[in-house]
Amino acid sequence: DIQMTQSPSSLSASIGDRVTITCQASQDISNYLNWYQHKPGKPPKLLIYDASNLETGVPSRFSGSGSGTDFTFTISSLQPEDIATYYCQHYENVPYTFGQGTQLEIK
Amino acid sequence: EVQLVQSRAEVKKPGESLRISCKGSGYTFTNYWISWVRQMPGKGLEWMGRIDPSDSYTSYSPSFRGHVTLSVDNSIATAYLQWSSLRASDTAVYYCARHTSIYSATYLVWGQGTLVTVSS
Repeated sequence: DIQMTQSPSSLSASIGDRVTITCQASQDISNYLNWYQHKPGKPPKLLIYDASNLETGVPSRFSGSGSGTDFTFTISSLQPEDIATYYCQHYENVPYTFGQGTQLEIK
Repeated sequence: EVQLVQSRAEVKKPGESLRISCKGSGYTFTNYWISWVRQMPGKGLEWMGRIDPSDSYTSYSPSFRGHVTLSVDNSIATAYLQWSSLRASDTAVYYCARHTSIYSATYLVWGQGTLVTVSS
């Protein structure tokens, strides 16, 4: 099974800060990686698909990059509504493992 | 509007059986795979398995294989997640999610989640 190592597990940042989360796959997954935002009481929301493509309607301050085993998710200017937990997930083959999640807080 | 609507919250005892549902609408149900995702209290998301409604082909995570069963009833556009013998550790929120295509486990459409509580 492919393991996804996501870091950090938690992050405290100020409004307007640039925030970066990384995700490392245990083997080459090409660009078969998505990023989701999850808020309590709601289902996860797709933000980035295929490593770097912004889902329609998602603010442009969110971005993703990487391929192979190393991936990065960035919020260019943190907004109050971005407080959530963020997950990467690969889909190279089953099981489609999620990363451990990054809980984002406002400093 | 494409939607997945899940069944209501459940409270069960250890050893009991349970089936929760996920009803699709606004699209051709048999054209899109459905995955199930678990979130235990205070924990992260875990992928459980997927089912192809067109032929009921399933794939399970090793962590869940043998403990849960995925199925569909295409006549009512509904996917199911089933346990024959619940454990306290099955207490969690369960989400269904629709694949965007057969080539991608990208989930744009999700159910609202079903809370399952297993307690004696």
